[in-house]
Amino acid sequence: KQEVTQIPAALSVPEGENLVLNCSFTDSAIYNLQWFRQDPGKGLTSLLLIQSSQREQTSGRLNASLDKSSGRSTLYIAASQPGDSATYLCAVLGSNYKLTFGKGTLLTVNP
Amino acid sequence: GAGVSQSPSNKVTEKGKDVELRCDPISGHTALYWYRQSLGQGLEFLIYFQGNSAPDKSGLPSDRFSAERTGGSVSTLTIQRTQQEDSAVYLCASEQGRGREQFFGPGTRLTVL
Repeated sequence: KQEVTQIPAALSVPEGENLVLNCSFTDSAIYNLQWFRQDPGKGLTSLLLIQSSQREQTSGRLNASLDKSSGRSTLYIAASQPGDSATYLCAVLGSNYKLTFGKGTLLTVNP
Repeated sequence: GAGVSQSPSNKVTEKGKDVELRCDPISGHTALYWYRQSLGQGLEFLIYFQGNSAPDKSGLPSDRFSAERTGGSVSTLTIQRTQQEDSAVYLCASEQGRGREQFFGPGTRLTVL
């Protein structure tokens, strides 16, 4: 059974810092990996999707990497802003086409 | 529509009542998913539709839960004889094709008293 772990569970940083969120998964037979953002009381917003054959994806200040063989992904956020404060969720799509989610990292960027 | 929509946004019901939750996916998306997000449990998969058929119902927690999709579009998740442990946010997502990016709706917050 696929298990997804996100570290740290919570992170607080001052504005302007670069930061890294970590995600690990136990079964490397994945189809893709997706990073989401969730604001309090809201649904999920897709940030980046990395196919299993890819190593990284970039969008603006966000960069996500994937090392499928070691079961790891990182989300790098450059020059963090207070508006980046949210819960960040990592999810892997298995060969059974089910998304398995981590429990998220709660990010707070302080002005 | 522009995105996935869900209704109602909030639902408060009494234990033992039936509830229906609705999801309108992005037009043209063939795949539709239901998830549940409970406090402390994270997000869990409930059911997946490809077109109108549900090849994977393995995530439904009990036989009180059922879902259908009509016309390859709107889906309804029904919970019969609701229990307090059913309280959660129910999220719907749609996908243009299998293995592509999933787009989520805002969710329905269900509270069972």
